[in-house]
Amino acid sequence: QSALTQPASVSGSPGQSITISCTGTSSDVGAYNYVSWYQQHLGKAPKLMIYDVTKRPSGISNRFSGSKSGNTASLTISGLQADDEADYSCCSYAGNYTLLFGGGTKLTVL
Amino acid sequence: QVQLVQSGAEVKKPGSSVKVSCKASGGTFSNYAVSWVRQAPGQGLEWMGGIIPMFGTANYAQKFQGRVTITADKSTSTAYMELSSLRSEDTAVYYCARAPLLIIIVPSAIFGWFDPWGQGTLVTVSS
Repeated sequence: QSALTQPASVSGSPGQSITISCTGTSSDVGAYNYVSWYQQHLGKAPKLMIYDVTKRPSGISNRFSGSKSGNTASLTISGLQADDEADYSCCSYAGNYTLLFGGGTKLTVL
Repeated sequence: QVQLVQSGAEVKKPGSSVKVSCKASGGTFSNYAVSWVRQAPGQGLEWMGGIIPMFGTANYAQKFQGRVTITADKSTSTAYMELSSLRSEDTAVYYCARAPLLIIIVPSAIFGWFDPWGQGTLVTVSS
């Protein structure tokens, strides 16, 4: 199984919106609504931001939203803030009780 | 609120094995799965496998089949990940994370998102 495909980096200015894509196949992202997104600041453990494609855990800002179309899931961050600068990774159920991560995307807030 | 506390950093020789523990504090693993995810230096997250403590059933990523063993002790709410035949490419931070059971198909289950995560354990493989 190959990792899900994410852009290596994205950037945006404070207040702007950005979208990070996560492309898989019809056997993982396209087959199940079990996509989650994680934020990871340097040297820290990942933090859950979105689960089941669109759902936000308690305490996560509504500036973070998720969606999916076909084999591609997306994370959108609106009203960019300096603290949003981090690595973001997607994860999808991939069948046969296995999960698959994306390669990660580095978000730079300019 | 449950926290996952992992064992400390390890330095291992190539060819040896390492066993990392993950203990639930302030909660249990009841009705959850525990997964292990690793991150090599400068690389992305990689799912290694997971266990459903209430069934004792473990599932592994194909890449690690035969080299990783994930176990759990329900009585102490502690999960373990043992990786054998270590090589330099196994140098990484290893995380445990709890996951909800979405669809139970005894003796296994589809489990979902990872929350919370342990603090991570650095395993260095070097001669």
